[in-house]
Amino acid sequence: EAQVTQNPRYLITVTGKKLTVTCSQNMNHEYMSWYRQDPGLGLRQIYYSMNVEVTDKGDVPEGYKVSRKEKRNFPLILESPSPNQTSLYFCASSSTGLAGGTDTQYFGPGTRLTVL
Amino acid sequence: AQSVSQHNHHVILSEAASLELGCNYSYGGTVNLFWYVQYPGQHLQLLLKYFSGDPLVKGIKGFEAEFIKSKFSFNLRKPSVQWSDTAEYFCAVTSFSGGYNKLIFGAGTRLAVHP
Repeated sequence: EAQVTQNPRYLITVTGKKLTVTCSQNMNHEYMSWYRQDPGLGLRQIYYSMNVEVTDKGDVPEGYKVSRKEKRNFPLILESPSPNQTSLYFCASSSTGLAGGTDTQYFGPGTRLTVL
Repeated sequence: AQSVSQHNHHVILSEAASLELGCNYSYGGTVNLFWYVQYPGQHLQLLLKYFSGDPLVKGIKGFEAEFIKSKFSFNLRKPSVQWSDTAEYFCAVTSFSGGYNKLIFGAGTRLAVHP
């Protein structure tokens, strides 16, 4: 089954304790992206990746890191989490991310993160 | 920069009522338009999309949307809602920025359908 998976689904942590949220897709998609969802703000893009070893900042990248060493995986890293990073995080992928394209983005199930 | 406005943050309807959720975008050039739905506790799923052609697009579960270029709008409609339509609905627009497709989301509309 074609899907985007994320782990963990729920995470409660404390300020400053490094964490990683994993994202994996089995559709051989080139483009992957991370969003955070906050009430009243919709989804905002954190980072994206056009392909292996190609990543760039989205709209709200501060406090986050990503890596794309393999096509299927796109982990989100919070080196020193803070309470304002408490949010619902979604990973997404699409075939390509090229401008002018018509690819649909497929979303993972979400990771609810609470930073105390 | 491209932006997306969803007019209603919360909508409450009774079953069988008709639904229309507003969505307006700011960019006047070529756009790709989407409606996503997020059922409680689930991930976003694509309801429908518009790239070109017939401005009235039909999606899953009886939803449709109409692209009106002159109004920069892409409103979502359903003639008769069901309790199972209770969810949050997001309008999204592709912004062709920096050589890649960036998906810009509206703030979302929470729909509650009462039996």
